Amino acid sequence: DVKVTQSSRYLVKRTGEKVFLECVQDMDHENMFWYRQDPGLGLRLIYFSYDVKMKEKGDIPEGYSVSREKKERFSLILESASTNQTSMYLCASSFGTAGGEAFFGQGTRLTVV
Amino acid sequence: AQSVTQPDIHITVSEGASLELRCNYSYGATPYLFWYVQSPGQGLQLLLKYFSGDTLVQGIKGFEAEFKRSQSSFNLRKPSVHWSDAAEYFCAASGTYKYIFGTGTRLKVLA
Repeated sequence: DVKVTQSSRYLVKRTGEKVFLECVQDMDHENMFWYRQDPGLGLRLIYFSYDVKMKEKGDIPEGYSVSREKKERFSLILESASTNQTSMYLCASSFGTAGGEAFFGQGTRLTVV
Repeated sequence: AQSVTQPDIHITVSEGASLELRCNYSYGATPYLFWYVQSPGQGLQLLLKYFSGDTLVQGIKGFEAEFKRSQSSFNLRKPSVHWSDAAEYFCAASGTYKYIFGTGTRLKVLA
């Protein structure tokens, strides 16, 4: 089975902190994604990466950055956390360029106080 | 602009009743289409997917979906709902790397 593992299920951080969300996949997938999920808004793409060291902005990249130094790991960074970044964050990975199935991690519920 | 619309935010059905969740898409060409399910506090699990061919797609947990090109729809159905089906359901479309998700439909099942 494909496994996408997010390092934390729950996180509580203070406003202004630098926050790292880590995601690891074990199926050698080229593509990795970070989504933010909020009630009534569905999943919104923050960033995605189609190869090591490659990244592209999604729909809501402001306030976030990403890092992909190794194929299996994709990190989401909140440079200076704010309360409006309190949300559920979902990592996903997929294979290929033509719409293969995306596999999701369990999610990280981040609360910024 | 590309989009996926799930017009029903909440649906409540009785256990044993049939279910249909609606999904409409707007895309330049026929995209790849997916239905995912999310149980509370969990990630998303794939129920089924449509790439091409037979327009009626069978998935896991007894779900099926029908692709209708003329209506730009990909509705999810189940003949008899179980209490364990209570969850949030997302329709998604993809043409290349990226996926576009609908806003989700939350299903409540009455005993």
